[in-house]
Amino acid sequence: NAGVTQTPKFQVLKTGQSMTLQCAQDMNHNSMYWYRQDPGMGLRLIYYSASEGTTDKGEVPNGYNVSRLNKREFSLRLESAAPSQTSVYFCASSDIVSPQYFGPGTRLTVL
Amino acid sequence: QKEVEQNSGPLSVPEGAIASLNCTYSDRGSQSFFWYRQYSGKSPELIMSIYSNGDKEDGRFTAQLNKASQYVSLLIRDSQPSDSATYLCAVRGGATNKLIFGTGTLLAVQP
Repeated sequence: NAGVTQTPKFQVLKTGQSMTLQCAQDMNHNSMYWYRQDPGMGLRLIYYSASEGTTDKGEVPNGYNVSRLNKREFSLRLESAAPSQTSVYFCASSDIVSPQYFGPGTRLTVL
Repeated sequence: QKEVEQNSGPLSVPEGAIASLNCTYSDRGSQSFFWYRQYSGKSPELIMSIYSNGDKEDGRFTAQLNKASQYVSLLIRDSQPSDSATYLCAVRGGATNKLIFGTGTLLAVQP
Protein backbone atom coordinates (compact mmCIF):
# COMPACT_ATOMS: atom_id res chain seq x y z
CA ASN A 1 0.00 0.00 0.00
CA ALA A 2 1.26 3.47 -0.88
CA GLY A 3 -0.74 5.13 1.92
CA VAL A 4 -1.26 8.80 1.13
CA THR A 5 0.34 10.22 -2.00
CA GLN A 6 0.62 13.86 -3.05
CA THR A 7 1.62 15.56 -6.28
CA PRO A 8 3.58 17.60 -7.05
CA LYS A 9 6.40 17.47 -4.48
CA PHE A 10 7.63 20.97 -5.29
CA GLN A 11 6.08 23.91 -7.12
CA VAL A 12 7.02 27.51 -7.81
CA LEU A 13 4.26 29.90 -8.88
CA LYS A 14 4.08 33.55 -9.74
CA THR A 15 1.57 35.74 -7.94
CA GLY A 16 -1.85 35.35 -9.53
CA GLN A 17 -1.24 31.95 -11.07
CA SER A 18 -3.49 29.02 -10.24
CA MET A 19 -2.71 25.42 -9.46
CA THR A 20 -4.22 22.26 -8.04
CA LEU A 21 -2.56 20.02 -5.49
CA GLN A 22 -3.56 16.39 -5.79
CA CYS A 23 -3.94 13.86 -2.97
CA ALA A 24 -4.92 10.19 -3.05
CA GLN A 25 -5.17 7.49 -0.37
CA ASP A 26 -5.47 3.74 -0.67
CA MET A 27 -6.43 2.96 2.94
CA ASN A 28 -10.20 3.14 2.29
CA HIS A 29 -10.51 6.02 4.76
CA ASN A 30 -13.66 8.10 4.81
CA SER A 31 -12.09 11.38 5.93
CA MET A 32 -9.43 13.47 4.22
CA TYR A 33 -7.73 16.73 5.21
CA TRP A 34 -5.56 19.51 3.86
CA TYR A 35 -3.10 21.30 6.15
CA ARG A 36 -0.50 23.96 5.72
CA GLN A 37 2.58 24.17 7.90
CA ASP A 38 4.61 27.32 8.34
CA PRO A 39 7.65 27.82 10.59
CA GLY A 40 6.55 28.40 14.17
CA MET A 41 2.85 28.00 13.33
CA GLY A 42 2.34 24.27 13.53
CA LEU A 43 -0.19 22.47 11.36
CA ARG A 44 -3.20 24.54 10.35
CA LEU A 45 -6.28 22.89 8.87
CA ILE A 46 -7.39 24.42 5.57
CA TYR A 47 -10.30 22.19 4.56
CA TYR A 48 -11.49 18.71 5.33
CA SER A 49 -13.89 16.16 3.95
CA ALA A 50 -15.55 13.95 6.55
CA SER A 51 -16.90 11.63 3.89
CA GLU A 52 -17.27 11.37 0.15
CA GLY A 53 -19.47 14.18 -1.11
CA THR A 54 -18.91 16.56 1.82
CA THR A 55 -16.35 19.29 2.45
CA ASP A 56 -15.99 21.80 5.27
CA LYS A 57 -13.81 24.77 6.07
CA GLY A 58 -11.04 24.47 8.57
CA GLU A 59 -9.07 27.15 10.37
CA VAL A 60 -7.56 28.95 7.33
CA PRO A 61 -9.76 28.37 4.22
CA ASN A 62 -9.45 31.81 2.55
CA GLY A 63 -7.86 31.65 -0.90
CA TYR A 64 -8.41 27.91 -1.31
CA ASN A 65 -11.02 25.57 -2.72
CA VAL A 66 -11.29 21.80 -2.49
CA SER A 67 -12.90 18.95 -4.36
CA ARG A 68 -13.56 15.46 -3.01
CA LEU A 69 -13.44 13.71 -6.35
CA ASN A 70 -14.24 10.24 -4.97
CA LYS A 71 -13.45 8.29 -1.81
CA ARG A 72 -9.74 8.08 -2.70
CA GLU A 73 -8.99 11.59 -3.98
CA PHE A 74 -9.13 15.06 -2.45
CA SER A 75 -7.69 18.05 -4.31
CA LEU A 76 -6.79 21.56 -3.15
CA ARG A 77 -6.95 24.48 -5.58
CA LEU A 78 -5.34 27.89 -5.36
CA GLU A 79 -7.24 30.12 -7.78
CA SER A 80 -4.96 33.16 -7.58
CA ALA A 81 -1.80 32.42 -5.66
CA ALA A 82 -0.37 34.99 -3.25
CA PRO A 83 3.05 35.11 -1.55
CA SER A 84 1.28 34.48 1.78
CA GLN A 85 0.41 31.02 0.47
CA THR A 86 4.06 30.02 0.35
CA SER A 87 4.08 27.03 2.65
CA VAL A 88 4.33 23.27 2.93
CA TYR A 89 1.01 21.55 2.27
CA PHE A 90 0.14 18.18 3.73
CA CYS A 91 -2.77 15.93 2.90
CA ALA A 92 -3.95 13.40 5.49
CA SER A 93 -6.62 10.73 5.79
CA SER A 94 -8.32 8.87 8.60
CA ASP A 95 -11.38 7.00 9.68
CA ILE A 96 -13.66 8.59 12.28
CA VAL A 97 -11.74 7.42 15.35
CA SER A 98 -8.37 6.50 13.88
CA PRO A 99 -5.27 8.70 13.82
CA GLN A 100 -4.53 10.70 10.71
CA TYR A 101 -1.93 9.47 8.24
CA PHE A 102 -0.02 12.06 6.26
CA GLY A 103 1.28 12.28 2.74
CA PRO A 104 4.84 13.44 1.97
CA GLY A 105 3.87 17.06 1.39
CA THR A 106 4.09 19.68 -1.35
CA ARG A 107 6.52 22.55 -0.96
CA LEU A 108 4.99 25.60 -2.63
CA THR A 109 6.72 28.90 -3.26
CA VAL A 110 4.77 31.88 -4.59
CA LEU A 111 6.93 34.67 -5.98
CA GLN B 1 -5.81 28.82 26.46
CA LYS B 2 -4.70 26.71 23.52
CA GLU B 3 -6.56 23.44 23.03
CA VAL B 4 -3.33 21.41 22.96
CA GLU B 5 -0.17 22.86 24.46
CA GLN B 6 3.42 21.76 24.16
CA ASN B 7 6.69 23.38 25.12
CA SER B 8 8.35 24.33 21.83
CA GLY B 9 11.83 23.50 23.13
CA PRO B 10 14.43 22.78 22.04
CA LEU B 11 14.76 19.96 24.54
CA SER B 12 18.36 18.86 24.55
CA VAL B 13 19.34 15.47 26.01
CA PRO B 14 22.58 13.48 25.84
CA GLU B 15 22.69 10.23 23.90
CA GLY B 16 21.50 7.31 26.03
CA ALA B 17 19.37 9.47 28.34
CA ILE B 18 15.59 9.48 28.74
CA ALA B 19 13.78 12.24 26.85
CA SER B 20 10.48 13.35 28.37
CA LEU B 21 8.02 15.24 26.19
CA ASN B 22 4.87 16.72 27.66
CA CYS B 23 1.49 17.83 26.38
CA THR B 24 -1.61 19.28 28.07
CA TYR B 25 -5.08 19.60 26.59
CA SER B 26 -8.19 21.56 27.45
CA ASP B 27 -11.12 19.34 26.35
CA ARG B 28 -12.00 17.05 29.27
CA GLY B 29 -14.05 14.84 26.96
CA SER B 30 -11.09 13.89 24.78
CA GLN B 31 -10.74 10.14 24.24
CA SER B 32 -7.88 9.57 21.79
CA PHE B 33 -4.29 10.76 22.03
CA PHE B 34 -1.48 10.45 19.55
CA TRP B 35 2.21 11.25 19.22
CA TYR B 36 3.74 12.03 15.84
CA ARG B 37 7.41 12.44 14.97
CA GLN B 38 8.38 14.90 12.24
CA TYR B 39 11.91 15.03 10.88
CA SER B 40 13.00 18.30 9.30
CA GLY B 41 11.61 18.55 5.77
CA LYS B 42 9.42 15.47 6.17
CA SER B 43 5.79 14.77 7.00
CA PRO B 44 4.44 13.82 10.45
CA GLU B 45 4.69 10.09 11.19
CA LEU B 46 2.50 8.38 13.79
CA ILE B 47 4.58 6.72 16.52
CA MET B 48 2.17 6.13 19.44
CA SER B 49 -1.55 6.04 20.17
CA ILE B 50 -3.06 5.89 23.67
CA TYR B 51 -6.71 5.74 24.65
CA SER B 52 -6.86 4.89 28.38
CA ASN B 53 -5.20 6.13 31.54
CA GLY B 54 -1.80 4.70 32.34
CA ASP B 55 1.24 3.73 30.36
CA LYS B 56 1.61 2.16 26.93
CA GLU B 57 5.01 0.89 25.86
CA ASP B 58 6.30 0.22 22.36
CA GLY B 59 10.00 -0.49 22.13
CA ARG B 60 11.92 2.52 23.45
CA PHE B 61 8.77 4.65 23.51
CA THR B 62 6.29 4.94 26.40
CA ALA B 63 3.17 7.06 26.21
CA GLN B 64 1.58 8.11 29.51
CA LEU B 65 -1.96 9.43 29.89
CA ASN B 66 -3.59 11.07 32.89
CA LYS B 67 -7.10 12.21 31.98
CA ALA B 68 -7.78 13.70 35.41
CA SER B 69 -4.83 16.05 34.97
CA GLN B 70 -5.45 16.43 31.20
CA TYR B 71 -1.87 15.48 30.57
CA VAL B 72 -0.18 13.16 28.10
CA SER B 73 3.54 12.51 27.82
CA LEU B 74 6.01 10.60 25.70
CA LEU B 75 9.16 9.05 27.14
CA ILE B 76 11.99 7.98 24.87
CA ARG B 77 14.47 5.67 26.57
CA ASP B 78 18.07 5.31 25.43
CA SER B 79 17.74 8.39 23.23
CA GLN B 80 19.67 8.28 19.97
CA PRO B 81 20.78 11.12 17.67
CA SER B 82 18.32 9.66 15.14
CA ASP B 83 15.50 10.58 17.56
CA SER B 84 16.25 14.27 16.96
CA ALA B 85 13.03 15.62 15.47
CA THR B 86 9.92 17.61 16.31
CA TYR B 87 7.33 15.64 18.28
CA LEU B 88 3.69 16.59 17.79
CA CYS B 89 0.98 15.78 20.30
CA ALA B 90 -2.52 15.32 18.85
CA VAL B 91 -5.77 15.01 20.77
CA ARG B 92 -9.15 14.00 19.39
CA GLY B 93 -11.78 16.24 20.97
CA GLY B 94 -14.68 14.70 22.80
CA ALA B 95 -17.41 16.98 21.51
CA THR B 96 -16.23 17.72 17.98
CA ASN B 97 -14.28 14.52 17.28
CA LYS B 98 -11.72 16.73 15.53
CA LEU B 99 -8.01 15.96 15.84
CA ILE B 100 -6.22 18.95 17.32
CA PHE B 101 -2.43 19.22 17.01
CA GLY B 102 -0.01 20.95 19.32
CA THR B 103 2.73 23.04 17.76
CA GLY B 104 5.37 20.45 18.64
CA THR B 105 8.49 20.10 20.77
CA LEU B 106 11.89 20.06 19.09
CA LEU B 107 14.09 17.33 20.56
CA ALA B 108 17.85 17.41 20.05
CA VAL B 109 19.84 14.34 21.14
CA GLN B 110 23.51 15.20 21.58
CA PRO B 111 26.09 12.50 20.69
